[in-house]
Amino acid sequence: GNSVTQMEGPVTLSEEAFLTINCTYTATGYPSLFWYVQYPGEGLQLLLKATKADDKGSNKGFEATYRKETTSFHLEKGSVQVSDSAVYFCALRSYSGNTPLVFGKGTRLSVIA
Amino acid sequence: DVKVTQSSRYLVKRTGEKVFLECVQDMDHENMFWYRQDPGLGLRLIYFSYDVKMKEKGDIPEGYSVSREKKERFSLILESASTNQTSMYLCASSPQGAGNTEAFFGQGTRLTVV
Repeated sequence: GNSVTQMEGPVTLSEEAFLTINCTYTATGYPSLFWYVQYPGEGLQLLLKATKADDKGSNKGFEATYRKETTSFHLEKGSVQVSDSAVYFCALRSYSGNTPLVFGKGTRLSVIA
Repeated sequence: DVKVTQSSRYLVKRTGEKVFLECVQDMDHENMFWYRQDPGLGLRLIYFSYDVKMKEKGDIPEGYSVSREKKERFSLILESASTNQTSMYLCASSPQGAGNTEAFFGQGTRLTVV
C-alpha cells in the first residue's frame, strides 16, 4: 500500500538557518505529493504541492521537488524564521481522486531567535 | 474563502457516553474525511465518504461510525467513548476528480474522555 516516511523530530534551528525535512514515499503509479503545516492550536494548511515528476512546489520561501527516481519530496527553506515554528506533514494522494491523503508522522520544527 | 468547520474546538466527555463530532464544509465537495491525530503517530484515517450516504472504512474504524445525510455535513460518532479515544480529531474535504487536488482541513476538535 501507499506510505510516507518523514524524518523524525523535533528539529530545533536558530533563526536564519537552512531547513531540510526529508520525506520519502512508497506508492503505485504516479501520486501527487503535498506538504502541510500545522501551527500551534490549528488545523492543517496546505503549504505546497507537486503533481508530477520533477515539479517543484513553492510557497512562503519553502520549496520541494518531486523526485521520482529517489521517491522523495524533501522540504527546504533557505532562512527560517521564528514564525515557521510548527509541525510539518508530508502526504501523498493516488491519482484516483476519491482516495484519501496518506500522511507521514509529522516533524515538529522549533526556531529560536 | 474555503471553509471546513468543526462544531467544537474542545470537548470533555465521560467514559461510555455517545459522542457526536460534527463537520460542515461550504465548498460543495464530494469527498469528506475524518482523521485522528496523536503524538508520534501522525494522522490516521478513521472513515471517509465520497458521496452522500456512502462511507468507507479507513485504517482505524473500530469504535467509530459515521453519518453523511447531506453533502455538506459529515458526522463522526463514538458509540461508547473510551479513554483511548482521547485525541485530536480532524475533518477534511476535497473535490472529486483527479488526485492532484488537495484536501482542506477544519481547525480540529480536541476530545478528552474521562
